[in-house]
Amino acid sequence: SQTIHQWPATLVQPVGSPLSLECTVEGTSNPNLYWYRQAAGRGLQLLFYSVGIGQISSEVPQNLSASRPQDRQFILSSKKLLLSDSGFYLCAWVKGAGLNTEAFFGQGTRLTVV
Amino acid sequence: AQKITQTQPGMFVQEKEAVTLDCTYDTSDPSYGLFWYKQPSSGEMIFLIYQGSYDQQNATEGRYSLNFQKARKSANLVISASQLGDSAMYFCAMREFLQAGTALIFGKGTTLSVSS
Repeated sequence: SQTIHQWPATLVQPVGSPLSLECTVEGTSNPNLYWYRQAAGRGLQLLFYSVGIGQISSEVPQNLSASRPQDRQFILSSKKLLLSDSGFYLCAWVKGAGLNTEAFFGQGTRLTVV
Repeated sequence: AQKITQTQPGMFVQEKEAVTLDCTYDTSDPSYGLFWYKQPSSGEMIFLIYQGSYDQQNATEGRYSLNFQKARKSANLVISASQLGDSAMYFCAMREFLQAGTALIFGKGTTLSVSS
């Protein structure tokens, strides 16, 4: 069966420090991968998505970047965190691009920038 | 423009009652998919139900049903016989074609509180 791993679960980082969040998927190949951010009590904002190795699409200009070095690995990074980067980050994967394919989410990372 | 609109920030219901969570969407594509997810306080996202734009019947999954009104572009979630464990945030989402693939676009969510 397919599983998605995301870590760390919680993170407290000072302003100006770098960030690296990792997401890996097991049990499937060539998944579509996504990074979402959820501000406190708000909806999910799509940040990046990837349909293959090295292919990254950005939805919102951010202080963030994403990379996909391997088929089942998706990394969210920042060189210098801002206070506004605080939030709940969720990685998700979808098998294929069909309209009826649901997204499966990781457990999320709660990032607090202090 | 907002693609998914959930106008109810919070809803309150008593155990065993039914509740309807509203969702309207905006798209010009004839083919689209609509989803509902539940997010408990733990933060995990739990898939509940799916409705395709060409589906003739409203989707149902156990106590969850989707009241799909295509002409009104609404896809309301109905939870029958509410339980305390239904207390959570609920998100409506639509799969949208993007430049290089597709993605789920979410509404802002509705917080449901079930009381005994």
